[in-house]
Amino acid sequence: TQLLEQSPQFLSIQEGENLTVYCNSSSVFSSLQWYRQEPGEGPVLLVTVVTGGEVKKLKRLTFQFGDARKDSSLHITAAQTGDTGLYLCADAGGTSYGKLTFGQGTILTVHP
Amino acid sequence: GAVVSQHPSWVICKSGTSVKIECRSLDFQATTMFWYRQFPKQSLMLMATSNEGSKATYEQGVEKDKFLINHASLTLSTLTVTSAHPEDSSFYICSASWTRFTDTQYFGPGTRLTVL
Repeated sequence: TQLLEQSPQFLSIQEGENLTVYCNSSSVFSSLQWYRQEPGEGPVLLVTVVTGGEVKKLKRLTFQFGDARKDSSLHITAAQTGDTGLYLCADAGGTSYGKLTFGQGTILTVHP
Repeated sequence: GAVVSQHPSWVICKSGTSVKIECRSLDFQATTMFWYRQFPKQSLMLMATSNEGSKATYEQGVEKDKFLINHASLTLSTLTVTSAHPEDSSFYICSASWTRFTDTQYFGPGTRLTVL
């Protein structure tokens, strides 16, 4: 059974600071997705990474996929209060039913 | 495009009653739908996978007789929590994909269930 570990579990920072969230797997990711979820809403897909060493940027967010495809990181530059939420990584591989395996999540709170 | 809705968005019920939650894909046909459960400040836990026209596949530890899933059409799946108890109180989220062979799921906004 694949285990996805995210760290840190909780992150509380001031607006303008930078932060990094990590996602590590006990086995190779088929493909990895990052989601952001706000309270009372469903998760929203931020990015999908597939190739080892891949780097993707989405405005102030930078996503890296490890060369061995067993780890990933999400870096946010100059955090804003609107970045507050639960960040989830998920392995999008597995069975032919396309099941997602989610990490435990990182709760980010950005204070004004 | 790719919008998934859930109804109701929140529901409060008495212990022992049954509650039905609907998940609809509004602008695409969803061959496969997934149901998740989420406790406060925790991650999503997959409950079951449903494919249109066939029985749902439940994850280990999920009681199929308690959480009835029906995927009768390509745009609608329902989750019925039978004989609900306070421990069933949770945030239930569905997602839909147009094919089982894709890693792209579109998530609904979730349904908050509170059992008194």
